[in-house]
Amino acid sequence: DTAVSQTPKYLVTQMGNDKSIKCEQNLGHDTMYWYKQDSKKFLKIMFSYNNKELIINETVPNRFSPKSPDKAHLNLHINSLELGDSAVYFCASSPGQGFSYEQYFGPGTRLTVT
Amino acid sequence: EDKVVQSPLSLVVHEGDTVTLNCSYEVTNFRSLLWYKQEKKAPTFLFMLTSSGIEKKSGRLSSILDKKELFSILNITATQTGDSAIYLCARISSGSARQLTFGSGTQLTVLP
Repeated sequence: DTAVSQTPKYLVTQMGNDKSIKCEQNLGHDTMYWYKQDSKKFLKIMFSYNNKELIINETVPNRFSPKSPDKAHLNLHINSLELGDSAVYFCASSPGQGFSYEQYFGPGTRLTVT
Repeated sequence: EDKVVQSPLSLVVHEGDTVTLNCSYEVTNFRSLLWYKQEKKAPTFLFMLTSSGIEKKSGRLSSILDKKELFSILNITATQTGDSAIYLCARISSGSARQLTFGSGTQLTVLP
């Protein structure tokens, strides 16, 4: 069974479009995260959600909005996509309340904006 | 952006070799340092280091933090082809924000 899953695995879209990436974890974790890994392999945390509340919000454009319908899901919605949004996006989860140093990552979603 | 700097950027060795990967970090609001192994796509957690001079070990992997010189090393002894991966170092800041900043990683290739 996949612990942290993301869909889709690959996403190719044009500039200006709106897209969503879904993330689900079946570990019963309380906290979920979104990371962006750019072409230089830098992995940057974007958001963290704990029991549906945002607890970390790095300085990302407000075109990016995390949506958590329940504890097991944290979806990433992106409006007005730009070329610079092309990257691999990772979802992760961790047990306990608040930010954790031991996180379980999903397989990633490679987003290509043309 | 250079809050976490890893070196070398890439490394090619043969099975059985010992490798040392380096990570230097910015001291401002430093709390802990993490090491991850990234194979294929998703990173997996290896170590968390908070105290200086205390070595953490897991099998052939070990890591230590030097808070005076602001760096950490990850050692891998008797390397195997399965150790081929990107090794990521990350810095956790203190305070309520708990910002996590990753370095660009070291690409390790172990040849048979």
